[in-house]
Amino acid sequence: EVQLVESGGGLVQPGGSLKLSCAASGFAFSSYWMSWVRQAPGKGLEWVANIKIDGSEKYYADSVKGRFTISRDNAKNSVYLQMTSLRVEDTAVYYCARAGLSYGYERYWGQGTLVTVSS
Amino acid sequence: IQMTQSPSSLSASLGDRVTITCQASQDISKYLNWYQQKPGKAPEVLIYDASNLEAGVPSRFSGSGSGTHFTFTISSLRPEDFATYYCQQYDTVPRTFGQGTRLEIK
Repeated sequence: EVQLVESGGGLVQPGGSLKLSCAASGFAFSSYWMSWVRQAPGKGLEWVANIKIDGSEKYYADSVKGRFTISRDNAKNSVYLQMTSLRVEDTAVYYCARAGLSYGYERYWGQGTLVTVSS
Repeated sequence: IQMTQSPSSLSASLGDRVTITCQASQDISKYLNWYQQKPGKAPEVLIYDASNLEAGVPSRFSGSGSGTHFTFTISSLRPEDFATYYCQQYDTVPRTFGQGTRLEIK
């Protein structure tokens, strides 16, 4: 059974940093692209970033480029999202997701972790 | 790329046929997905590459289109289908979602 478990969310002040982790199990982690998608309270979905199977390619939403860094550790079956210079508008539930048969869509999702940026 | 869904909300009855459209601001070929999200839950993919039904998804869901205009159809609404639906393009980075269509019971 595919499982994705996010952790690391919490309350942080504007300008602060936070690192999210996603532990994967039940599949060959090193064979799949991984993504982060977020959802602000009561709002729609926003794609944040994704990373290729070997970490050689990384892509970001314009809203987080230069502030967020996606990474992965295939030995630990984990993907990470390092978030710096956090803004109030970064407040959201952050979902970790695994690609499907093609890298073009997110097939499996975690339960999400809430990040709240507030003073 | 901007993705515009319509309608933003929709009221329908059990057994109804429902169609949602998604318009891309530029040609995205077939690189369009449809997701369903229920309150408090993570999204689930229903359709990928515009018209491919993900494994395990009921056949009452379907998708069509290419280029800039896409449609998503539920042929006969069931109680579990009342949710919010999102289109998403992956032709160009950054991937972008439509604003969502909330499907409610009439």
